[in-house]
Amino acid sequence: EVQLVESGGGLVQPGRSLRLSCAASGFTFDDYSLHWVRQAPGKGLEWVSGISWNSGTTGYADSVKGRFTISRDNAKNSLYLQMNSLRPEDTALYYCAKDLGSTWVFESWGQGTLVTVSS
Amino acid sequence: EIVLTQSPGTLSLSPGERATLSCRASQSVSGRYLAWYQHKPGQAPRLLIYGASSRATGIPDRFSGSGSGTDFTLTISRLEPEDFAVYYCQQYGSSPFSFGQGTKLEI
Repeated sequence: EVQLVESGGGLVQPGRSLRLSCAASGFTFDDYSLHWVRQAPGKGLEWVSGISWNSGTTGYADSVKGRFTISRDNAKNSLYLQMNSLRPEDTALYYCAKDLGSTWVFESWGQGTLVTVSS
Repeated sequence: EIVLTQSPGTLSLSPGERATLSCRASQSVSGRYLAWYQHKPGQAPRLLIYGASSRATGIPDRFSGSGSGTDFTLTISRLEPEDFAVYYCQQYGSSPFSFGQGTKLEI
């Protein structure tokens, strides 16, 4: 069974940094692309960033480009999101998602970790 | 960036009825690269449909997808009580891989 467990969320002041992690199990980790998708309170889903199986391809939403960096460690079955220069509008539940393959379709999701940016 | 507009915003139906949800793109979605997700409060989203019409693993056949170009539809043939949720479409033909704003399916 695929399991994705996010961690690292919390309350942070505007302009500060936070690093999210996602621990994966139940599948061959380095066969799949992985993503971060977020949902702000009362809003819909927003794709944030994605990374290919070998880290050769990464992509970012315009809203986070230049501030967020996605990475993965295939030896540790882990996905990360380094978030710098955080803004109040980055407040959201952040989901880790496993790709269907390398399609940018989000087949399996974690339960999410909440990031609150506020002074 | 491709903008996806879902309609209606809210759909009120009863168990046993047929639901038709629409997703319209601001420009053509290449390769029919469109997916549908179901999202219930407090749960992780669930992939239903990809490639506009292919059901994901374990999805009941009462869920079906159709469409191409700029117009796509998710149909639930006979609503079950567990189908009441928010549904999102997502295009993955070009980055950024945008979602629609969602359709809430309520009893």
